[in-house]
Amino acid sequence: SQQGEEDPQALSIQEGENATMNCSYKTSINNLQWYRQNSGRGLVHLILIRSNEREKHSGRLRVTLDTSKKSSSLLITASRAADTASYFCATDRGSSGSARQLTFGSGTQLTVLP
Amino acid sequence: DGGITQSPKYLFRKEGQNVTLSCEQNLNHDAMYWYRQDPGQGLRLIYYSQIVNDFQKGDIAEGYSVSREKKESFPLTVTSAQKNPTAFYLCASSPSGVGETQYFGPGTRLLVL
Repeated sequence: SQQGEEDPQALSIQEGENATMNCSYKTSINNLQWYRQNSGRGLVHLILIRSNEREKHSGRLRVTLDTSKKSSSLLITASRAADTASYFCATDRGSSGSARQLTFGSGTQLTVLP
Repeated sequence: DGGITQSPKYLFRKEGQNVTLSCEQNLNHDAMYWYRQDPGQGLRLIYYSQIVNDFQKGDIAEGYSVSREKKESFPLTVTSAQKNPTAFYLCASSPSGVGETQYFGPGTRLLVL
C-alpha cells in the first residue's frame, strides 16, 4: 500500500475560498513534500517540510507537519480557478541510499469554481 | 532553457513489441527516476539512478529496463514482458539523490494497439 494517503480524494470549492488537503503516512520520515499536477502534465514541486519542522509557508501555501500523528496538511488560501489540479504528498523515508525513496500518495483532485 | 524533456508525448505499442521512452535533462542533476502513473492514482517508482552507469529497481521494475550511459539521459524500455503497459510515464531528476526535491518532465502516454 502507499505510504502517503491524501484526504479528501476530491474537493470542489468556490474561487476565493480556502482549500485544505490532508496527508497521512505510516512510517517515520525524513521529509514530506507536496507536488501539484495539472491534467495530463508532469508534477511541479510546491514545498518541502523536514521532519523537525512543524509549519512552512510559501506564498498562498501553508504546510503543517505533525509527526506524532503522522500527518500533514496543505492549505491554499484565497484559491483561484488556476489552482485547479491534483495535489500529491510524497514522503522520504528510510536511512540508506537504496532504501530511501520518495513514495507518493494517490492525490487530491481540487476543483476551484469561478 | 534548462529542464527535463521526454519524448514522444504519445507512444503506441503493438503486442510483443519493445518500446523505448526518452528522458533528457540539462540541469546537471546526478539522480534520475522513472515513475508510472495509472488513472486516478499516484506515482509508482519503476527504476532510479543516482550516478552514471548505476541504477536500482523501484517497486514495479518487472517488464522494464533502463540504462544510464550519460548523465543527461535515462531511457526506459517497456519490454514485451510488461503485460499491462498502458499508463502515463513520468521521468524526474534531482541534484544528488533520493529524498530531495524532484523535477519532472511532461510525461509520455503509452497506449497499446
